[in-house]
Amino acid sequence: DIQMTQSPASLSASVGGTVTITCRASQGIGGHLAWFQQKPGKAPKSLIYAASSLQSGVPSKFSGSGSGTDFSLTISNLQPEDVATYYCQQYNNYPLTFGQGTRLEI
Amino acid sequence: EIQLVESGGGLVQPGGSLRVSCAASGFTSSDHYMDWVRQAPGKGLEWVGRSRNKASSYSTEYAASVKGRFTISRDASENSLLLQMKSLKTEDTAMYYCTRAAGGGYSASDLWGQGTMVTVSS
Repeated sequence: DIQMTQSPASLSASVGGTVTITCRASQGIGGHLAWFQQKPGKAPKSLIYAASSLQSGVPSKFSGSGSGTDFSLTISNLQPEDVATYYCQQYNNYPLTFGQGTRLEI
Repeated sequence: EIQLVESGGGLVQPGGSLRVSCAASGFTSSDHYMDWVRQAPGKGLEWVGRSRNKASSYSTEYAASVKGRFTISRDASENSLLLQMKSLKTEDTAMYYCTRAAGGGYSASDLWGQGTMVTVSS
């Protein structure tokens, strides 16, 4: 199975600031990586697919990059509503696997 | 409105069985790959399995932790996804989400339901 390792596990940032979350795959996955946002007590929401493509309706403050084994999610102009846990997922190989999550506090 | 609505969760004893459903609306689910993803209380997301689309004969993939115990199927007439769970264990306790993915090749989830809670306890 492909292991997905996210860092940091948690982070705190200021309103208006920018943060970057990284996700590393234990083997190459091309660009087959997605990012999800889960707000407290809510179902996850899809943000990004194919490493850098925004899902429909997702604001451009979210951006993704990377390929192979190293990926990142950057969130700019942070607002209180961005408080959430963010997960990466590889969909290159079965079983699909998630990172352990990164908790963002504002 | 395009949405997924799960139902059927509840309390079941260890060793028991349960079927949960995911009703799709606003789109034709048979055109899409569909996944089940679960989340144990206070834990991260775990992929459970996938049903490919009609064009791929609704073939399935499963996580090792549920293979042989869980079965994913479709009810085309109801535009829904089903998850039949048997030989349930306490570690299967989780919120179960269904997701929609694109069809064909490599597919990422783009739509999630609100989830249905399954509790396995005596």
